[in-house]
Amino acid sequence: NAGVTQTPKFQVLKTGQSMTLQCAQDMNHNSMYWYRQDPGMGLRLIYYSASEGTTDKGEVPNGYNVSRLNKREFSLRLESAAPSQTSVYFCASSEALGGMTDTQYFGPGTRLTVL
Amino acid sequence: KQEVTQIPAALSVPEGENLVLNCSFTDSAIYNLQWFRQDPGKGLTSLLLIQSSQREQTSGRLNASLDKSSGRSTLYIAASQPGDSATYLCAVMGGSGNTPLVFGKGTRLSVIA
Repeated sequence: NAGVTQTPKFQVLKTGQSMTLQCAQDMNHNSMYWYRQDPGMGLRLIYYSASEGTTDKGEVPNGYNVSRLNKREFSLRLESAAPSQTSVYFCASSEALGGMTDTQYFGPGTRLTVL
Repeated sequence: KQEVTQIPAALSVPEGENLVLNCSFTDSAIYNLQWFRQDPGKGLTSLLLIQSSQREQTSGRLNASLDKSSGRSTLYIAASQPGDSATYLCAVMGGSGNTPLVFGKGTRLSVIA
């Protein structure tokens, strides 16, 4: 089992460029999440998907869109990147259907710099 | 709004020492509390999850306790090893569940051989 995988590992963008961060899990989990981690701020939830076909906003959704492509994959899109979106992005998944009540498993992260 | 605080921000101990990491939260109406480990440049690894109805959970040399009424949790690490060096994060889920985890900023632990 690879667990949760994320691509790319590193990315540098210029202000205004767009990109999609990819996430996949092979644990047959129902729920998936996108977080960002900033120095001094801790991890904050951007969006989550409590089941295939559903997505919901987290704490900091502005400037992002998500797609739950199928049960395995959950992508995060930045339509017009801004320097404030420089961060480390983590994808996570959990078994629970329709909720975030159980243990979450994290990917290795994508380090994004927006110039 | 729930706030999670972890003190100290950094801790350095000699190998073999038993140690306690602290986590406090402002709203005692929680669904569960989780402890994670994060190695430099890596993702998070779940260590222990305590449901609101539980008082403690154990895994190997790790023991996590929960006191909801006082808004506190502790992570006890017995016989620390250099391999335990990492940042330890506490996260709280509020209410009846299905709400985002609120994370503390972590305690960076160094175990010196």
